[in-house]
Amino acid sequence: EDQVTQSPEALRLQEGESSSLNCSYTVSGLRGLFWYRQDPGKGPEFLFTLYSAGEEKEKERLKATLTKKESFLHITAPKPEDSATYLCAVDGGGADGLTFGKGTHLIIQP
Amino acid sequence: DGGITQSPKYLFRKEGQNVTLSCEQNLNHDAMYWYRQDPGQGLRLIYYSQIVNDFQKGDIAEGYSVSREKKESFPLTVTSAQKNPTAFYLCASRYRGNQPQHFGDGTRLSIL
Repeated sequence: EDQVTQSPEALRLQEGESSSLNCSYTVSGLRGLFWYRQDPGKGPEFLFTLYSAGEEKEKERLKATLTKKESFLHITAPKPEDSATYLCAVDGGGADGLTFGKGTHLIIQP
Repeated sequence: DGGITQSPKYLFRKEGQNVTLSCEQNLNHDAMYWYRQDPGQGLRLIYYSQIVNDFQKGDIAEGYSVSREKKESFPLTVTSAQKNPTAFYLCASRYRGNQPQHFGDGTRLSIL
């Protein structure tokens, strides 16, 4: 059974204070790891897909990296508008699609 | 613009009533999914469909039903058998294979 654990559950940073969110996973055969951003009362918004260890993707202040056991979402010099819940999910190849972690609730204080 | 439309945004259910949540996509995606999201929990899969006229139960299908008569549409019915239906319901779709899922903006269901 595929499993995804995200840490920390919640993180409060000052504006400009860089940090990283962790996504540890257990899957028999990784077909893809996905990062999403979710704002309150909205559906998750797709950010990145990573397919193999060593792969990196960047978008503005966000950078996602992947190893064989975990992924990190690095946030550089965050702004208050980066406040959201960040979800990680894995595709282990099953017909039922993705397994999601519980998310990291990120708050960026001005 | 292509996307996934869920309606209504808010829904209230009376005791013993069945309610249906709508999900429509114009992305030409093959697969569609229904998730339930509760505070402090991850997304839990209710039902999914890989092709028209075929669907499968997810992890928490009891008390729910679906249909997939058209590629674009995947409605979810919350039946009176679902004793704890209060939650945020999310519909998703994806093209195929290991592509990312894309989500609608959800329906919040509450009990009157």
